Amino acid sequence: QPALTQPPSASGTPGQTVTISCSGSISNIARNTVNWYQRFPGTAPKLLIYSTNQRPSGVPDRFSGSKSGTSASLAISGLQSDDEADFYCSAWDDNLNRLLFGGGTKLTVV
Amino acid sequence: QVQLQQWGAGLLRPSETLSLTCAVYGGSFRDYNWNWVRQPPGKGLEWIGNIDRSGSNNYNPSLKGRVTISEDTSKNQFSFRLSSVTAADTAVYYCARGGSRYGYEAFDIWGRGTVVTVAS
Repeated sequence: QPALTQPPSASGTPGQTVTISCSGSISNIARNTVNWYQRFPGTAPKLLIYSTNQRPSGVPDRFSGSKSGTSASLAISGLQSDDEADFYCSAWDDNLNRLLFGGGTKLTVV
Repeated sequence: QVQLQQWGAGLLRPSETLSLTCAVYGGSFRDYNWNWVRQPPGKGLEWIGNIDRSGSNNYNPSLKGRVTISEDTSKNQFSFRLSSVTAADTAVYYCARGGSRYGYEAFDIWGRGTVVTVAS
């Protein structure tokens, strides 16, 4: 099943900055915008970043997105314990003609 | 505040048809596209397909031929059917809204999810 590639896990200590990567290809990340979702256990995903680097209303500016070429990144600064969640990237793929998601990254705040 | 409420059978036998419905409360139905997304156990999210504001469908090619997404605009509901299910279709299924000011494929409102298990 084609998907964008994310590291399965990431961790950081309170106050740190953590970056989660999302790797794709020319047909998806390079050509199209990237969205990021945050999901807490047992709940539905929440839109965290849209259009690669924009935050929906209500999302703290500690969360930021970017991309370069075929990779995108989500950065979380001033890490807090309640940031612990799973994070997913997504992008449309022009060749496959479908929306792709990453496999998800579980963030742990130690 | 817009909410999506979804329902449908949670336990199916192989070869049966999965059927889920999602109702939209508190907002416009016609101005958005309506999507289904699933997550198999231990795996990532997978987009199934959508019905857009013109009533046209877009499906994940890997499921095409088995999936149908339809709408009932009089009830502000949209539905999803997946035929000939197998154990590989065991997943949590979500309905989600796209096409808001955040972008066509940015899903800003989600249903709570329905656990679907396929077992004999």
